Amino acid sequence: DTAVSQTPKYLVTQMGNDKSIKCEQNLGHDTMYWYKQDSKKFLKIMFSYNNKELIINETVPNRFSPKSPDKAHLNLHINSLELGDSAVYFCASSRGGAPVQYFGPGTRLTVL
Amino acid sequence: DAKTTQPTSMDCAEGRAANLPCNHSTISGNEYVYWYRQIHSQGPQYIIHGLKNNETNEMASLIITEDRKSSTLILPHATLRDTAVYYCIALSPSGGGADGLTFGKGTHLIIQP
Repeated sequence: DTAVSQTPKYLVTQMGNDKSIKCEQNLGHDTMYWYKQDSKKFLKIMFSYNNKELIINETVPNRFSPKSPDKAHLNLHINSLELGDSAVYFCASSRGGAPVQYFGPGTRLTVL
Repeated sequence: DAKTTQPTSMDCAEGRAANLPCNHSTISGNEYVYWYRQIHSQGPQYIIHGLKNNETNEMASLIITEDRKSSTLILPHATLRDTAVYYCIALSPSGGGADGLTFGKGTHLIIQP
């Protein structure tokens, strides 16, 4: 009964491909997030989403798009993958956009 | 979010108390101090937060100075599993997290056997 889960845990793909990472939370939270942690271990917010509003970090390329089929899921779609997209991606959730957030285990994306 | 400053790394002996400092001298009146940690190869984990009173939960204690310009996270009896990067974040809870959390470089705490 993991609170925030992500699939897959590892994703290896070629440049130019399109891929998706799935995130599910069973905490009943209404806000979900995607973070990126690069090779230097810096953790940065990419998106914040609830049923009313999507907040996008302006530095995120538009090749990245979050899609939420329902309140418990926020998937991350990435088009035309580039080498620089290689990183660990973390999903998180919170209640009402509160700073107490619960993180998933991460998805390590490697672009070859 | 107020800027926070933490030491890059710290060592602590297993079984001893680990005291992790954080400076947030520009914190405003409605900003809380939040602590997270990230154990290697895992997602960040929420630890504790506070405004001005000292706080304690099953994981740690948080001591905030009276002027609120600094705080200390205390792990009372550190174990090897507490080896992690610890992040101190100062922000307002009312919507402050809606834009996502801003993680700095944190403190790499190494618990020595």
